[in-house]
Amino acid sequence: EAGVVQSPRYKIIEKKQPVAFWCNPISGHNTLYWYLQNLGQGPELLIRYENEEAVDDSQLPKDRFSAERLKGVDSTLKIQPAELGDSAVYLCASSLGAGGNYNEQFFGPGTRLTVL
Amino acid sequence: GNSVTQMEGPVTLSEEAFLTINCTYTATGYPSLFWYVQYPGEGLQLLLKATKADDKGSNKGFEATYRKETTSFHLEKGSVQVSDSAVYFCALRYSTGNQFYFGTGTSLTVIP
Repeated sequence: EAGVVQSPRYKIIEKKQPVAFWCNPISGHNTLYWYLQNLGQGPELLIRYENEEAVDDSQLPKDRFSAERLKGVDSTLKIQPAELGDSAVYLCASSLGAGGNYNEQFFGPGTRLTVL
Repeated sequence: GNSVTQMEGPVTLSEEAFLTINCTYTATGYPSLFWYVQYPGEGLQLLLKATKADDKGSNKGFEATYRKETTSFHLEKGSVQVSDSAVYFCALRYSTGNQFYFGTGTSLTVIP
């Protein structure tokens, strides 16, 4: 079974340019997460989807970041315009669903963004 | 608020040495606790978990016990291998929500 797929793996752009990241979760997983991981830090949640609905986007900087999951499967995270401080690894994860005592998240390899 | 504190790294050990990576948490209620591992160039992988007090999670020779009285979930392994070199993240999650809180990670390097 394929894991969580992310593309691109690496992206280098100049500041003020737009950039988009794509994630395809594990088949059948209803919950999808986007995390930001700065160097030497743990992942920090940006947004969580239950199917196509964004149920937690409180940490998403909405002035420049946007995300969508139109059909409740794959998802795109966009930054426009990018700033130097956006350089980080953007991780996507998915799980079967929400709630319950435990629900394992499966992570993709991440997209490493460098803003020059 | 909810948070997870891990011992700072990097940690360097010789092969077959004993490993402990400390993790403490701050939370209300009864969260589930996790250890994730991130190998170079890869995404995070679940290593082990515990969902209630006194539970012991174990996998690949690693163990961690959910200690509510000390709010801790320390990771241990009796004899590390070179292949254990990675970054280890402690995390917590509430059953009523689906948000995970991660620690800052501890880098482990095992030398032959």
